[in-house]
Formats: sequence, C-alpha cells, structure tokens
Amino acid sequence: EVQLVESGGGLVKPGGSLRLSCAASGFTFSSYSMNWVRQAPGKGLEWVSSISSSSSYIYYADSVKGRFTISRDNAKNSLYLQMNSLRAEDTAVYYCARSEGYVDAFDIWGQGTMVTVSS
Amino acid sequence: SYELTQPPSVSVSPGQTARITCSGDALPKQYAYWYQQKPGQAPVLVIYKDSERPSGIPERFSGSSSGTTVTLTISGVQAEDEADYYCQSADSSGTLWVFGGGTKLTVL
Repeated sequence: EVQLVESGGGLVKPGGSLRLSCAASGFTFSSYSMNWVRQAPGKGLEWVSSISSSSSYIYYADSVKGRFTISRDNAKNSLYLQMNSLRAEDTAVYYCARSEGYVDAFDIWGQGTMVTVSS
Repeated sequence: SYELTQPPSVSVSPGQTARITCSGDALPKQYAYWYQQKPGQAPVLVIYKDSERPSGIPERFSGSSSGTTVTLTISGVQAEDEADYYCQSADSSGTLWVFGGGTKLTVL
C-alpha cells in the first residue's frame, strides 16, 4: 500500500525549532518529488516547500524562506522539514505529499502532523 | 505574489450540477489541479492537468479550462460530495505552487 506517515509535530514556543519527518512506503521514493503543505486551523491549504527526487531543485514559499529547510534521505525513504524561528502563524497541520515530477499533481498525501507555536 | 481566486461557497441540491471556478493570470500557461477535502481528512486529488481524472475518482467529476479560469464540474451531485474543494497551480515561472482559498460545497 502506498503510504506517507508524518511525525514530529507538537507544541513549541515562539522562536523555537522543530523537525518534521515523513516516512514513505509502498512506492519507489527516490523517483518522486516531495512536498510539504500546511493548513492553519479553520483555514485553507498553503504550499510550504518542494524538493525534487534527487534534491537538485528545492523551493520555498516566501512565508518560510530562510527559516525552514526541506531535505530528504532516499536511502531511508524519508522526507524532512527543519523549522526554525517558529512563529505563532506557523501553527498548522503539516502534510507531506508526493508528486511524480516537480510540476505535477500531489497525488498521495499523509494524514498530517499538528504543529502548535505558543508560549 | 501570485493568487488563485475561488468563490468561498457553492450550494446545490442533490442530483444537480455544481460548478466551482478558479481564476489566475498564469492558468493559460500552467496546469490546474483540484483537491477534495472532507473534515478531519487529508486532501484527495480529484482532477489533474486541468481535466484528467485519477483512477478511482467518479466520472461525475470533470475539469475544464478557458483562458485565465479553470472549472471543476460535479454532475449529479451526491451528499457524499459535500466538502471543501481547492484548486492548485504553479506561478508563471513554474517553481512556486499556489492553492486557491478553497470553496465549500454544500449539498442542500
């Protein structure tokens, strides 16, 4: 079964850091681009970052550029999001999603992990 | 920054046709994608590359494109189609993704 499972969410103080992970299974992880999308409580979807299959191409939304770092380990079938200098407005459910090419549909999504930034 | 504009809500009776639009300046050059999201669940892809339907998605879901507007059409709406729907596309450079603000479909 094709599956993405996020982990690493939790409660963190403003200015703090958190590292999210996304474990992939059921497909050839190294052949796909991967993405992070977040959703603040009661709000819409917001694209956060994307990384190509070999990590050659990495892009960020302006709202997280310079604070978040996306990475992947194809040997471990895992995607990561290092989040630094967290702000209250980063509070959201964070989803990982795969896409066949960089500019392609997000065809498989994880169930999401909640990040709460609060003092 | 690039934006995609959707109506906040659409309401239809069961069996009728629902149309949800999404407007953006780069849509003539970039494909659009549509996602369905039910409460407490992750989004599900329902249309890709403007009008293609993934396997497992009912035929009543279709997509079309005209100029700077793309449209998700749900024919013969069923109660189970009640959900939030989001369009997605890339900016003109093809490097940054954008989601529309979402449309809540209510089945009366």
